Amino acid sequence: DTAVSQTPKYLVTQMGNDKSIKCEQNLGHDTMYWYKQDSKKFLKIMFSYNNKELIINETVPNRFSPKSPDKAHLNLHINSLELGDSAVYFCASSQAGYRMNTEAFFGQGTRLTVV
Amino acid sequence: GESVGLHLPTLSVQEGDNSIINCAYSNSASDYFIWYKQESGKGPQFIIDIRSNMDKRQGQRVTVLLNKTVKHLSLQIAATQPGDSAVYFCAEPGNMLTFGGGTRLMVKP
Repeated sequence: DTAVSQTPKYLVTQMGNDKSIKCEQNLGHDTMYWYKQDSKKFLKIMFSYNNKELIINETVPNRFSPKSPDKAHLNLHINSLELGDSAVYFCASSQAGYRMNTEAFFGQGTRLTVV
Repeated sequence: GESVGLHLPTLSVQEGDNSIINCAYSNSASDYFIWYKQESGKGPQFIIDIRSNMDKRQGQRVTVLLNKTVKHLSLQIAATQPGDSAVYFCAEPGNMLTFGGGTRLMVKP
């Protein structure tokens, strides 16, 4: 029974296209996150939502737009994809907000390749 | 924001040996740390955590040490096994869940 699931696992698309990555958690957590992991494995937070409200937006281009229809879902829509957007994107969730001392649970990642 | 970082990007050990992975942090107000393990093709998974009122915490084959004086964490893995091969991150949940740069552990049979 998957706790945090994201789809698709792989996404190959051309520059300029618009794409979405979906994320769902069945843990009943209040907070969800999107992270970007580059080729050197560095994990950088992009967004954090708490109870459907945006609480972190870390210097991410406005081509990236998160959407949270309910607290169990946090989708990531990307417009006008660029080569530099190629990375692995991870969704995560935690019981409390990002400033609280709780662990986060991660999805399996979406490898986005822009050609 | 302040950062959490790692000293060694790659660590290669013989199966059965002990492994030590290090992490330095700069936010002296941090009071909680987590070690995550990321296997190939998967997301990071919780291994062990430690709060700042402790200097050592033990799990099954893993031990985390915290030295607040020099702002340093280490993860020790006893009797390293091939299944321990992964990238290990230290993370700081209280600071936007900031992750260190990661260390790749390679276990030689």
